[in-house]
Order: sequence, then structure tokens, then C-alpha cells
Amino acid sequence: LAKTTQPISMDSYEGQEVNITCSHNNIATNDYITWYQQFPSQGPRFIIQGYKTKVTNEVASLFIPADRKSSTLSLPRVSLSDTAVYYCLVGDQYSGAGSYQLTFGKGTKLSVIP
Amino acid sequence: ETGVTQSPTHLIKTRGQQVTLRCSSQSGHNTVSWYQQALGQGPQFIFQYYREEENGRGNFPPRFSGLQFPNYSSELNVNALELDDSALYLCASSLANPLAGQNGDTQYFGPGTRLTVL
Repeated sequence: LAKTTQPISMDSYEGQEVNITCSHNNIATNDYITWYQQFPSQGPRFIIQGYKTKVTNEVASLFIPADRKSSTLSLPRVSLSDTAVYYCLVGDQYSGAGSYQLTFGKGTKLSVIP
Repeated sequence: ETGVTQSPTHLIKTRGQQVTLRCSSQSGHNTVSWYQQALGQGPQFIFQYYREEENGRGNFPPRFSGLQFPNYSSELNVNALELDDSALYLCASSLANPLAGQNGDTQYFGPGTRLTVL
């Protein structure tokens, strides 16, 4: 499984764009990159997933360079409610049946300041 | 709201006791995974059930066991509780599609059960 490295914490003011970068130097050819968000005392919530270039949904954008050794989660104009832990996941185990076995690191704790 | 529910929300047990945690999957999902999350850490994979059979297990001892029922609800059982078992226990349901290949499916997490072992 590819190991991921993310900053432990980040601070941002309301209304700013936040970019959280995750490095995954030994990502495998078939690995996808997935980001989850977790609020205190709640389960993680899927945000976005991508394989290469750029993916955008109603919540965030995911930028993946050509070498795929890193990825950047971009949150536009954050609000106080975006304060949470953000996890970058790469290369989860798949046995050919059932679903992926997700491997979480410690994530990045984002604090949005008024 | 993910449609995944867990019960109870909180639980206090003493060392050596046994506990059963329950999870109701999102309608239509055939796979449930259980995770343990210690304070300040990311969730750690315990095991997964697909169509009522265990399908993969993380680095957890046999005293952690589970069941998945025909309606795809699930139980996590922990015997001989230890102090280090104190954690948030999360279940996640998904609709597995083996034909999707390496495109990971989305897992929907419940709110978790906070277990405290004294």
C-alpha cells in the first residue's frame, strides 16, 4: 500500500481557498486517490476521488500532477463549518470481492478562523 | 446523513467484559466494514463482510468478531475487553461492484459507537 504524508494541521481564515497537499511517492499504476472529511465524533465522509489531472465536484477540486506522486485537495472559500480532519487515501486493498479496505493515516486537521 | 446507523451511541464496559455493537447499512448496500478509531488517530480497518462472509481482516486479534445478516445489517463483537479497546467504532457500508475493477467504490460511514473500557 502506498504511504501518504500530509501536514498535521492547517489554519485558514473564512472565505479563503485552502489547499491541502498529500504526497504518495510509491503510488501504484492502478491506485486511485481518495479524500475523506471527518467532523468530531462523526464518521468520515467521502469528498472526492481521482486518478489523474483534475477532478471537481460541488464540494472540492482534486489536482493530480502527471507523475501522480502527490495530490492537492482544494476547498474554495472555506467557512467555519469546514473545520474538520481531512484524510488522503491511496491504494486501498481490494480482494476482488466486497469493497475496498480503506487505510487511513492521521490526516490534516483544518481549523477555519473567523 | 448517510443512511448508516449505529447503536448504541455510547457504551461503558469494564475490563474482561464482552460487548456487541450494531450497524444498519444503507439500503441496497451489500458490504459492511468495521473500523476502530483511537483518539487522535485515523480509523483502522478491523474487518469487512460481503454477502454475509468475512472478506478481509486487519491486524486485530480473534476476540474481535463479526456477523452480517441477510438484510445486510451487521454486528461487531469484542470479547475479553481491554483498556486499549476504548475507541470510536465505525461501520461503513457500500455497494460492492467487482466489475468496477480498481475504481474504488464509496463507503458511507455511520456516526460511530464510543466505547469506554474501565
